Amino acid sequence: GAVVSQHPSWVICKSGTSVKIECRSLDFQATTMFWYRQFPKQSLMLMATSNEGSKATYEQGVEKDKFLINHASLTLSTLTVTSAHPEDSSFYICSARPSGNTGELFFGEGSRLTVL
Amino acid sequence: GNSVTQMEGPVTLSEEAFLTINCTYTATGYPSLFWYVQYPGEGLQLLLKATKADDKGSNKGFEATYRKETTSFHLEKGSVQVSDSAVYFCALSSSGGYNKLIFGAGTRLAVHP
Repeated sequence: GAVVSQHPSWVICKSGTSVKIECRSLDFQATTMFWYRQFPKQSLMLMATSNEGSKATYEQGVEKDKFLINHASLTLSTLTVTSAHPEDSSFYICSARPSGNTGELFFGEGSRLTVL
Repeated sequence: GNSVTQMEGPVTLSEEAFLTINCTYTATGYPSLFWYVQYPGEGLQLLLKATKADDKGSNKGFEATYRKETTSFHLEKGSVQVSDSAVYFCALSSSGGYNKLIFGAGTRLAVHP
């Protein structure tokens, strides 16, 4: 099946620094990728829809200047948490949909961010 | 707004036991319903889906029936295996496709020999 990979799997950073998380579709091209956030024992929350070559569409309540999304190629989307604070600590998950396909999404394994 | 509620885990079972993981939803219109599974160290994978009332999704021995009258989509398996140990997520899409999936909190299943 299609594979989506996230990097890093986990990261620890100091408060005030910025952290970049990559989401790659390894064996298919993805025009659209989605970024989710999950707090412990809570649902995955959709943060934004990432569209190749255009600006991301953010869900209500998600700060676009805080969570920068770049989808510069058909196989890579990045999420940058800027000026991270402890409340940004969370599990971030991406998913990708093969270009030209309106069906199944494929998910990355997730990236755990801890901000000290 | 739309939401999904799952039973809280963890669920611990012995091998060959019967599994039920409850899922109820709140949505306007006629959403599509999904179960995803996440094995340790891997991404979420689609397990099964149902797109309209009374549809039954099935895969790998798991089944779930779209019950509009009770707004439920409970996951069942008649005989679980150790390899079924994972986190299971119920989800809905109000658009009818895979866009903007709304997930439940996930239920961890642990199956012991």
